[in-house]
Amino acid sequence: NAGVTQTPKFRVLKTGQSMTLLCAQDMNHEYMYWYRQDPGMGLRLIHYSVGEGTTAKGEVPDGYNVSRLKKQNFLLGLESAAPSQTSVYFCASSYSRTGRAFFGQGTRLTVV
Amino acid sequence: GQQLNQSPQSMFIQEGEDVSMNCTSSSIFNTWLWYKQDPGEGPVLLIALYKAGELTSNGRLTAQFGITRKDSFLNISASIPSDVGIYFCAGHQGGANSKLTFGKGITLSVRP
Repeated sequence: NAGVTQTPKFRVLKTGQSMTLLCAQDMNHEYMYWYRQDPGMGLRLIHYSVGEGTTAKGEVPDGYNVSRLKKQNFLLGLESAAPSQTSVYFCASSYSRTGRAFFGQGTRLTVV
Repeated sequence: GQQLNQSPQSMFIQEGEDVSMNCTSSSIFNTWLWYKQDPGEGPVLLIALYKAGELTSNGRLTAQFGITRKDSFLNISASIPSDVGIYFCAGHQGGANSKLTFGKGITLSVRP
């Protein structure tokens, strides 16, 4: 049972480039989340989804877009990367209403 | 937006000591969760609490859901070196579009 899988694990982008981070979960969870983690800032919610075909903004959504076309996948897109988006990105999923979230291993993104 | 307050940012204890950390909020939550993050890994759920006043243990860890539903605490007894890491509290309101909100985390160091 893989749980939550994020790809890629590491990536270096140049300013202005675009990329998509993929999150896949095999637990049939309704809720999926994208967080970014920066030193001293904890985990900040970027976007989340409460079910297939739905997305909503979190605390820090600017510069990111998401899609949830299939229940098991949640994609995070950066259309034009900026150095301020250098961070570690975590995807998580949970059953609805309980909040027991399971996290992926993270993607370390550096924008130069 | 909702905020969960954890302080101090770092704690240093001696191996064998007990340590308590708490988490407070201005908002009411229906679920409180405590996560631990090891270096280079995603957060892992330690304890989940679902009722005001609930006291739950997981080995040497004990957590309580505050009566006001605006706070929670985590206690680690007889600390060992592998307890080092970042401890996050998280709250979930449980509504249809509810999201999981995290505190900034406390970095715990254990001196042998």
